[in-house]
Amino acid sequence: DVKVTQSSRYLVKRTGEKVFLECVQDMDHENMFWYRQDPGLGLRLIYFSYDVKMKEKGDIPEGYSVSREKKERFSLILESASTNQTSMYLCASSKTGTGESWATEAFFGQGTRLTVV
Amino acid sequence: DQQVKQNSPSLSVQEGRISILNCDYTNSMFDYFLWYKKYPAEGPTFLISISSIKDKNEDGRFTVFLNKSAKHLSLHIVPSQPGDSAVYFCAASTDLYSGGGADGLTFGKGTHLIIQP
Repeated sequence: DVKVTQSSRYLVKRTGEKVFLECVQDMDHENMFWYRQDPGLGLRLIYFSYDVKMKEKGDIPEGYSVSREKKERFSLILESASTNQTSMYLCASSKTGTGESWATEAFFGQGTRLTVV
Repeated sequence: DQQVKQNSPSLSVQEGRISILNCDYTNSMFDYFLWYKKYPAEGPTFLISISSIKDKNEDGRFTVFLNKSAKHLSLHIVPSQPGDSAVYFCAASTDLYSGGGADGLTFGKGTHLIIQP
């Protein structure tokens, strides 16, 4: 079974702090993603990576950065946390497909509920 | 501009009956579609997917239908069971990224399915 593990289930941080959210997958997937989920807004893509040291902006990258130094690990960084970054953060990974489509299903971690006070 | 729309925030269905969840999309470049199920405080779990070269895919009680001309897909759950009560997200992807990997899924806002006994 694919396992995507996020380092924390719950985090409380202060405004202005630098925050690191860690994600590890154990299935040698090429692609990794960070989403946030907010009520009424669904899941929105923050950043994704399709290879080590590669990163691409998603729909809402402002206020975030990412790091992918190893294939299995994808970190989300809040440079200076703000209250509007209080959210559920979800990491996902997927392999690059073959055949019908390059895209395949993404597997999600359990989520990190971040509260910025 | 929302590219993936789930117009029903909630849906209530009696146990044993069919649940039909709908999803519309606007981006004609989407060619891979997925449904995810999410319980509170957990990450989404993959349910079923369909490639744009097909119009139907079935997996047990779950069937996804794709109407490309109408840019519409639907998820049918038959028969509905109490454990199906959750939020269901429709997601779509293109495979146009030059690296050949998935360039992230675009999600709808979700439909809360409630199965009544």
